[in-house]
Amino acid sequence: KAGVTQTPRYLIKTRGQQVTLSCSPISGHRSVSWYQQTPGQGLQFLFEYFSETQRNKGNFPGRFSGRQFSNSRSEMNVSTLELGDSALYLCASSSRTGEDTQYFGPGTRLTVL
Amino acid sequence: ELKVEQNPLFLSMQEGKNYTIYCNYSTTSDRLYWYRQDPGKSLESLFVLLSNGAVKQEGRLMASLDTKARLSTLHITAAVHDLSATYFCAVGDMEYGNKLVFGAGTILRVKS
Repeated sequence: KAGVTQTPRYLIKTRGQQVTLSCSPISGHRSVSWYQQTPGQGLQFLFEYFSETQRNKGNFPGRFSGRQFSNSRSEMNVSTLELGDSALYLCASSSRTGEDTQYFGPGTRLTVL
Repeated sequence: ELKVEQNPLFLSMQEGKNYTIYCNYSTTSDRLYWYRQDPGKSLESLFVLLSNGAVKQEGRLMASLDTKARLSTLHITAAVHDLSATYFCAVGDMEYGNKLVFGAGTILRVKS
C-alpha cells in the first residue's frame, strides 16, 4: 500500500510570493491534516479536511488556506510569503476521524528568502 | 487549551541502559500517539494508545497511558544506537476532530 506523498519536496520562494503544496493521502483515507514544523515552534496544526470539507483550523493567519478534492488529495496555499513561513510542512492522512493512526508524508521543505 | 509537555527534551544514553520519556497533557483526551523522527525525515508512527491502562510494546520500546494522571510514558529497554532519533508524543484534541497537539520532542542519543 503506497504511503502519503507530498509534492514538491523542496521549494525556495521569495517574500511576497505565494506557494501551493500538494498532498496525496493513502488510498482509501478521507482525512487529511496539515502541520507546520519549525525549530522554534515545533509541530503546529494548520487544518484538517475530511470529505472535501474543512473540519478544523489551527491558529494561523488567513494567508494559509487549503482545500480537498473529491479523490481526497489536498492542497495548501500560502499567500504573501514571509520569512517566518520557512518550515517543513507535513500532511497526515487517516481513514476516518478520531481514533485511527495518522500517517505522515515526507514533507515539503519551504525556504522563504 | 490542550497543552502537552515532554521531558526530558534531550537524553544521552549509553547502549544497554534503560530510560523513560514522559509525556504530560493538560486536558482530557481519548487518544495519544508516539512518533519517531530521524533527522531530515518525516514522522514514523510508533504507538497509538486509546484507553486508560493501555500498554503497547514493539522491540525495545514500550508505551503506556494513564488517562487519570494524563500521563504517558515511553520506556526504552537496553538501548541500541539505532534508537537515536527524536521522539514526539501527540495528544488528540477532543474538541477538534483529528487535530493533534505535539510535545516539543525528546532528542535521544545512544552512545556506543
